[in-house]
Amino acid sequence: SQQGEEDPQALSIQEGENATMNCSYKTSINNLQWYRQNSGRGLVHLILIRSNEREKHSGRLRVTLDTSKKSSSLLITASRAADTASYFCATVPNSGGYQKVTFGIGTKLQVIP
Amino acid sequence: EAGVAQSPRYKIIEKRQSVAFWCNPISGHATLYWYQQILGQGPKLLIQFQNNGVVDDSQLPKDRFSAERLKGVDSTLKIQPAKLEDSAVYLCASSSRGQGPFNEQFFGPGTRLTVL
Repeated sequence: SQQGEEDPQALSIQEGENATMNCSYKTSINNLQWYRQNSGRGLVHLILIRSNEREKHSGRLRVTLDTSKKSSSLLITASRAADTASYFCATVPNSGGYQKVTFGIGTKLQVIP
Repeated sequence: EAGVAQSPRYKIIEKRQSVAFWCNPISGHATLYWYQQILGQGPKLLIQFQNNGVVDDSQLPKDRFSAERLKGVDSTLKIQPAKLEDSAVYLCASSSRGQGPFNEQFFGPGTRLTVL
């Protein structure tokens, strides 16, 4: 079963607006990762946030992590048409030994020019 | 550096037929993953290799799916016989940090399988 659950499942905004996507998970994690998938393509790693971090930035991306609420958010500022894609959170559990990455069902973002 | 290569990009078969997918990971990456992504869902891990050994195949339907990674480089995923519900995109990914937690995965473009 998928650990991460993204919210909303679909989001449509105008170019220039900010887009916020949320991810909730159930078990304790070591880190959480966000990936982007353009239509018909493979996934591209965007950013990784560790369980002892609260916020991380990369260009127009800002990721927050609240381990007490078991949730993370991805903010894309000043969105562009090229940001149109599906966005997935992936969690790595905080358990010893082998650590498996588990993907959520994704948020489909449409940025209208 | 060259990315993860997969072939074929598209495949259409009839149910009960066999199909095989090929993946060439990024050079030097020890860990290789096969995922199944059904339309509208996130990728589901089928099998993970560390070099040529299997780390996790708990979600691989072993009665019909098989995978191998000879010599710890290229990998093939086979389905025999295929069912309608196997229609999906099969993604291959690789990473360089083994089983560690901070392992960014690099994905190939995927193979879109349609079973009629």
